Amino acid sequence: GAGVSQSPRYKVAKRGQDVALRCDPISGHVSLFWYQQALGQGPEFLTYFQNEAQLDKSGLPSDRFFAERPEGSVSTLKIQRTQQEDSAVYLCASSPGGGAGYQETQYFGPGTRLLVL
Amino acid sequence: QKEVEQNSGPLSVPEGAIASLNCTYSDRVSQSFFWYRQYSGKSPELIMSIYSNGDKEDGRFTAQLNKASQYVSLLIRDSQPSDSATYLCAASGSARQLTFGSGTQLTVLP
Repeated sequence: GAGVSQSPRYKVAKRGQDVALRCDPISGHVSLFWYQQALGQGPEFLTYFQNEAQLDKSGLPSDRFFAERPEGSVSTLKIQRTQQEDSAVYLCASSPGGGAGYQETQYFGPGTRLLVL
Repeated sequence: QKEVEQNSGPLSVPEGAIASLNCTYSDRVSQSFFWYRQYSGKSPELIMSIYSNGDKEDGRFTAQLNKASQYVSLLIRDSQPSDSATYLCAASGSARQLTFGSGTQLTVLP
């Protein structure tokens, strides 16, 4: 079946511009995660949804970052007033269940590469 | 201190050799451990997961976990040039998110 998809794959923004990044998880997956990956580093957690509920947003670096998943499927990560330090790859991952999920495999999308000039 | 530490490498091994990748973690609530492979410009792909102390084998890959020493490793036997990638160690606990190390870049030389 189809994996996790993300769009756009590449985004160039001018500093101060707002951007919106989309994630389509694997159909039926309850859990959805956003990660930020800087060049040469491992992904860092941003936020987590279980269905439409945002259960953890502790990794969002500032109040310029906002994520939503209104119908429990597609999610959007929005970054307002982008700064150069926001340049990174934004990865979305999904996993099947909402139970004791720490053993669940997370399946990653291809990522959106954001460059802020 | 980062919660998951990996030798950043780069690590080079000749084709056919065993590649050994190591990871330590500092958070005692971590319960599950994952090794992901990431090719340049691509997304992470799960190689192995391990939850209990000891070894877990899957084909050419063996993951080892020692919770007392807070140590996880990945062995790749009969390394192939196609194994050349960055290997990410990750941990999860009661919080569902993965905490990743910075990755070890592996090059398998033909």
